[in-house]
Amino acid sequence: GQQLNQSPQSMFIQEGEDVSMNCTSSSIFNTWLWYKQDPGEGPVLLIALYKAGELTSNGRLTAQFGITRKDSFLNISASIPSDVGIYFCAGYFGNEKLTFGTGTRLTIIP
Amino acid sequence: DAGITQSPRYKITETGRQVTLMCHQTWSHSYMFWYRQDLGHGLRLIYYSAAADITDKGEVPDGYVVSRSKTENFPLTLESATRSQTSVYFCATGTGSYEQYFGPGTRLTVT
Repeated sequence: GQQLNQSPQSMFIQEGEDVSMNCTSSSIFNTWLWYKQDPGEGPVLLIALYKAGELTSNGRLTAQFGITRKDSFLNISASIPSDVGIYFCAGYFGNEKLTFGTGTRLTIIP
Repeated sequence: DAGITQSPRYKITETGRQVTLMCHQTWSHSYMFWYRQDLGHGLRLIYYSAAADITDKGEVPDGYVVSRSKTENFPLTLESATRSQTSVYFCATGTGSYEQYFGPGTRLTVT
């Protein structure tokens, strides 16, 4: 099955730094979603985007639905220790199924 | 109100045994999903259900059986477990098919 490509695969940053990650697809989507997964837990929905060009924020998180509908971006400002985890993007085209990205693992260096 | 729960959280079983993973939701969401998560494969859809008594195959349905007689429950059965079914299994729900809310997962080991 198709998987979305997320970049980077992993990030090592210091507390307080800003973080940027993206997700790309060869196909267009109507909806983009971003999830975060903590160790030993299920993914938690962070942000949902419904329109090309849309920019949506959730606290220190900001996500954008790419104009081409083939990509999406997630930014985290002023990272804190609880931001550690794996971030997944997911795309939806209307076939009742989500397509998930490969994940970006975020680690904060003390 | 736990929203979505999965049981058991951990399970060890032997090859060839039948095992059922339970998923229960209190939100009355119409859609429910089963995924497995493996290193290198990410989240893969096994089965999903749009409503009670309606189920459909996902990407990797072989070796699994589901049923949904009530809106709130969506059990996943491995009829004859194999080592390749060792994985973390996640149940998810949603009012529609795209904003999905995940349970805490069941870690299954088949020996």
